[in-house]
This record gives sequence, C-alpha cells and structure tokens, in this order.
Amino acid sequence: SQELEQSPQSLIVQEGKNLTINCTSSKTLYGLYWYKQKYGEGLIFLMMLQKGGEEKSHEKITAKLDEKKQQSSLHITASQPSHAGIYLCGAPSGYALNFGKGTSLLVTP
Amino acid sequence: GAVVSQHPSRVICKSGTSVKIECRSLDFQATTMFWYRQFPKQSLMLMATSNEGSKATYEQGVEKDKFLINHASLTLSTLTVTSAHPEDSSFYICSALKGGANVLTFGAGSRLTVL
Repeated sequence: SQELEQSPQSLIVQEGKNLTINCTSSKTLYGLYWYKQKYGEGLIFLMMLQKGGEEKSHEKITAKLDEKKQQSSLHITASQPSHAGIYLCGAPSGYALNFGKGTSLLVTP
Repeated sequence: GAVVSQHPSRVICKSGTSVKIECRSLDFQATTMFWYRQFPKQSLMLMATSNEGSKATYEQGVEKDKFLINHASLTLSTLTVTSAHPEDSSFYICSALKGGANVLTFGAGSRLTVL
C-alpha cells in the first residue's frame, strides 16, 4: 500500500516568516491533494496536483509536485495566524484518499 | 459548490449504547461517501466506503457489525456505532465525491465520547 510521509511533524513559526511542508510518497503519485484542518474540525480543500512538475498557488500558499511524482511540497509565504492548523497531504486510493499523518502548524505573533 | 453536513458535531453516550452519525450532501448527489476516523494527533484512517443502494465496503480491521453504514439515498449516509465502548471514542469524519468532480468534500466531523 502507498505510504505518505509528512515532514516536519509540527512547526512553530513567527508571523511573517515563510515555511515549507513536505510530503513524500513510497510510490508514484497519480494525484496529490493538500487539505487543511482546524483542530477538531473538518478538512478544507487547498489544492490538487496531478502532473509532474506542476505548481499551483492560491493566495500565499504554493504547492508543487516534483517531476518524478513522488514528492510534494507546500510553501506558505509571509505566514499569518490564520494559517495555523494541520496540513494533510492525500493520495488517491480508489475513489477515497489515503492521508499522511499531517503537519501541525502554529504561527506566533 | 459542494457542501457536506455532518450531525451531530458532538455526542456523549454511555458505554453499551448505540450512536448514529449522519452525513448529508446538501447541494449535490453522492453515490459514494467515505467514513474516516481520526485519533488525537493522528491522521485520518479510512474506515469504509459507503455505496448508495448497496453494502458498504469496509477497510481491513474495521468491524462491519460494530460500525453499521447505511446509504439509503443519494444525499444521506449514516454511521451507527453499535454497543459503543470507551475505545470507540474518536473523531469521525465523512466525505463525499460530487459526480464529475475529482475532489473529496469533507464534513465538519463528529466527536464521539463514550463514558
């Protein structure tokens, strides 16, 4: 089965700083999804990547999928307290998604 | 858009009782819904795939008699935790796939606490 490894496990950054979260797959990715979860709440869809080398941006968040389609990164520029939460990468497993363990982000003033 | 509603958001029950959690797709029809479980500080684990009009497909290690899933309509799937025990306490999240879309929409989750 496909395993997704996320790093770091947790991250504390000062407001205004940039940060990067990584997601590495044990197998070739045929799609990679990024979601954000507020503590104790549901998941909010951020972005989906499918092609090797693809990069997408939304507001201050940029996600990339490497050419080999085994690693994705999520980059946040000029972090804000509203970016705090758990970031999860997910890969298709049938019609469902298989998720990594998540990266917990805390943004301090 | 695609909106998925889950109810209740929080439920506390006594050990041995059964609890039903509802998952509704509000503005689209979902032939397939998914139920996940999340333990504190851990990722989401897929429990089962709920198929409208047919039996659910359970992941390995998930007791189908413990976690009853019913998907009687194109907008509603229910998860019933039967004879709940404290170890069943968890955060349960459902998701649905809108026809023609390739993005799963998630409900807000239901936190179950079994005393």
